[in-house]
Amino acid sequence: ILNVEQSPQSLHVQEGDSTNFTCSFPSSNFYALHWYRWETAKSPEALFVMTLNGDEKKKGRISATLNTKEGYSYLYIKGSQPEDSATYLCAAILYGQNFVFGPGTRLSVLP
Amino acid sequence: DGGITQSPKYLFRKEGQNVTLSCEQNLNHDAMYWYRQDPGQGLRLIYYSQIVNDFQKGDIAEGYSVSREKKESFPLTVTSAQKNPTAFYLCASSIDSRSPLHFGNGTRLTVT
Repeated sequence: ILNVEQSPQSLHVQEGDSTNFTCSFPSSNFYALHWYRWETAKSPEALFVMTLNGDEKKKGRISATLNTKEGYSYLYIKGSQPEDSATYLCAAILYGQNFVFGPGTRLSVLP
Repeated sequence: DGGITQSPKYLFRKEGQNVTLSCEQNLNHDAMYWYRQDPGQGLRLIYYSQIVNDFQKGDIAEGYSVSREKKESFPLTVTSAQKNPTAFYLCASSIDSRSPLHFGNGTRLTVT
């Protein structure tokens, strides 16, 4: 079974701080990587779908990069706001396999 | 509005009873999935279906069963054979097996 890791497990930042966290996955037979945001009492929502090495995606203050050769993706949040508080999940897909989710990074943004 | 609906939100059962969790979507998606979440772990795939009348086991299918008689519906039965059924269950759908997942709000099952 493909192993996907995320770090840190949890993170507390002050409002206005920028932050980033990591998703690691096996680099062989890579197909795609998804990032999801999961707010409390809501369902996970897709943020980014990334497939190519060197991909950079951006949505407002949130951006992500992908390195398929070394098997990692970074998610960045610029100028964190309390509404960014959520668990951020990554899911990797290898050829011939289904999504495998990491355990998530729980972000708390303190006002 | 299109979406994916899971019911009920909370479910309590006695040990030894089978229980069925509902998942309905009106997004016209072909693929549907069931995941289980336990504290400190990522979402783990129980079963998935890429098309009506077809489904495959995921990583932790033992003690579970599913059906896919209609495109819109993918119910999950937690049988008495599942050793640790208490968990949070998420249903998801997608256009195909590689597209982003759309999730329901989940069902929290407690078995005592």
